[in-house]
Amino acid sequence: DTGVSQNPRHKITKRGQNVTFRCDPISEHNRLYWYRQTLGQGPEFLTYFQNEAQLEKSRLLSDRFSAERPKGSFSTLEIQRTEQGDSAMYLCASSATGGGNQPQHFGDGTRLSIL
Amino acid sequence: GNSVTQMEGPVTLSEEAFLTINCTYTATGYPSLFWYVQYPGEGLQLLLKATKADDKGSNKGFEATYRKETTSFHLEKGSVQVSDSAVYFCALLILTGGGNKLTFGTGTQLKVEL
Repeated sequence: DTGVSQNPRHKITKRGQNVTFRCDPISEHNRLYWYRQTLGQGPEFLTYFQNEAQLEKSRLLSDRFSAERPKGSFSTLEIQRTEQGDSAMYLCASSATGGGNQPQHFGDGTRLSIL
Repeated sequence: GNSVTQMEGPVTLSEEAFLTINCTYTATGYPSLFWYVQYPGEGLQLLLKATKADDKGSNKGFEATYRKETTSFHLEKGSVQVSDSAVYFCALLILTGGGNKLTFGTGTQLKVEL
């Protein structure tokens, strides 16, 4: 049973650069979520996909952020023109359908550091 | 809106001590409740869940009971171990148009010492 996989684990970049993260969900899960976690805080919801459709986006997701899930499998999260405030852990989770209480399984996250 | 409030940490205990981490919530609907655990450098792992009032979730010696009357979901363990040292997050889920985004508390760090 492979879990949710995220790459890279760490990303260090200069302010103003673009970055892209990848998430591979558990294979039979058709729901995929992105969360952002800053130091000392709980994760905050960013966006959610069911298959390839992006069904919900948080107000936290500014115009510089874009997420895709083109074939309903893996997903990418891109941040353009990064800012200091983007430094955080970006977590991906996936779940099955079949009722609203299917647990979300999280990956180990991508830690982004903006210099 | 929906929110989760957890007791502030860190909570420092000796091995074999009794653990309680308080969690209360506010919600516009009827939520499901979860506890997740995060070990250093890792993502979140589901610890236990409860989907309706008076349900008790349990796993690995941890328990939490869904109390609708007090809007609480306190985490307990009778005898903690050093390996339980981690950050614990309480979370709620309310269905929104078929989605199920989680709302988390700020987390409570637990340190267990020999």
